[in-house]
Amino acid sequence: DQQVKQNSPSLSVQEGRISILNCDYTNSMFDYFLWYKKYPAEGPTFLISISSIKDKNEDGRFTVFLNKSAKHLSLHIVPSQPGDSAVYFCAASATRGSYIPTFGRGTSLIVHP
Amino acid sequence: ETGVTQTPRHLVMGMTNKKSLKCEQHLGHNAMYWYKQSAKKPLELMFVYSLEERVENNSVPSRFSPECPNSSHLFLHLHTLQPEDSALYLCASSLGTGQETQYFGPGTRLLVL
Repeated sequence: DQQVKQNSPSLSVQEGRISILNCDYTNSMFDYFLWYKKYPAEGPTFLISISSIKDKNEDGRFTVFLNKSAKHLSLHIVPSQPGDSAVYFCAASATRGSYIPTFGRGTSLIVHP
Repeated sequence: ETGVTQTPRHLVMGMTNKKSLKCEQHLGHNAMYWYKQSAKKPLELMFVYSLEERVENNSVPSRFSPECPNSSHLFLHLHTLQPEDSALYLCASSLGTGQETQYFGPGTRLLVL
């Protein structure tokens, strides 16, 4: 059973608009969440993270929102750019126990010019 | 050279072959990981090494054999693989196995015939 779920395998957005990528988790022990971005023929690269003591973390065009009660997080990219086209992985870890993150399946974002 | 490198980038092997994947990190990290990424599946953690000792092994078949001779190098020895083992194999490193960002290599695309 998947503990980290990204239910949308793909998302298509027009340049300049907002991209919203969603992630749900089932393990209530998870308290640290990360987003990774992956281009073809490259490994995933870290994008942004959030601890469960916060409900929002912002870094430039990227903002991650965490709703602990719903066990849901989302990544907002605004404004979206064609260079943002990539696969985005959500990951979660627990500070009590193994810190090693559990990954979702990824969502492929395509930003059209 | 900086970051995490992996060789070869692509590998085709028969089911009776023996091959090895190599990962090298130039970041001074103490933890290294092997992940498997199959199509439409989450990243699956295979092995974790911390200070050259294996700390986690996620029920991986014995036809996959890891080796970590020092904190900068990680190998994955492959023997009598099956076609379903065809996947992208990603290596990652992190400063420790705590709540630290993982840095991924570009991966080895493996095809087992």
